[in-house]
Amino acid sequence: AQKITQTQPGMFVQEKEAVTLDCTYDTSDPSYGLFWYKQPSSGEMIFLIYQGSYDQQNATEGRYSLNFQKARKSANLVISASQLGDSAMYFCAMRESSGGSNYKLTFGKGTLLTVNP
Amino acid sequence: DTGVSQDPRHKITKRGQNVTFRCDPISEHNRLYWYRQTLGQGPEFLTYFQNEAQLEKSRLLSDRFSAERPKGSFSTLEIQRTEQGDSAMYLCASSFWTQETQYFGPGTRLLVL
Repeated sequence: AQKITQTQPGMFVQEKEAVTLDCTYDTSDPSYGLFWYKQPSSGEMIFLIYQGSYDQQNATEGRYSLNFQKARKSANLVISASQLGDSAMYFCAMRESSGGSNYKLTFGKGTLLTVNP
Repeated sequence: DTGVSQDPRHKITKRGQNVTFRCDPISEHNRLYWYRQTLGQGPEFLTYFQNEAQLEKSRLLSDRFSAERPKGSFSTLEIQRTEQGDSAMYLCASSFWTQETQYFGPGTRLLVL
């Protein structure tokens, strides 16, 4: 089974509008972390936001917020006021704690976001 | 620039040749990771170092692959007898042991002809 599922291969949004990128995850660990990374065409993975499984509040970082719904096992990324520079691939990733491997990240397949002027 | 650096950024090689990539982590980050990303996929974990000790290797890391981090600072990833299936982006990341976030370098794009 997929550990991280990103169901939207591509998304389009108008500049200055908000967009939600979906991510669902599968784990039986009580302690885990969820991450979002941005990958422009240059290839570098840029860290955006992190949510721990025990965090009571949804994480926010500037224009990025993570809509964490633990019971639904979803960790959607919300980008407010989209900018042309937000056009990129976006990856959801999870860090689990089981089996001593409490450091490696498992990534989804990504969502390609295109911001239209 | 205090971020993770990788060298070279691009490498084209012929099948059967050996290649070596270098990663310089963020200063004082004692954890270092290698991932591989093929076209249309997310990165996949290859191996992990804490200081100079290699603590885990993925099953993706065949016997042709070897990684080192001799002094707990920079790391090298060598691929021997390259195959066309090795063509991918090789990403290095680092983190401090008390922190969750892994910071990635720009990657090395390998093309095996």
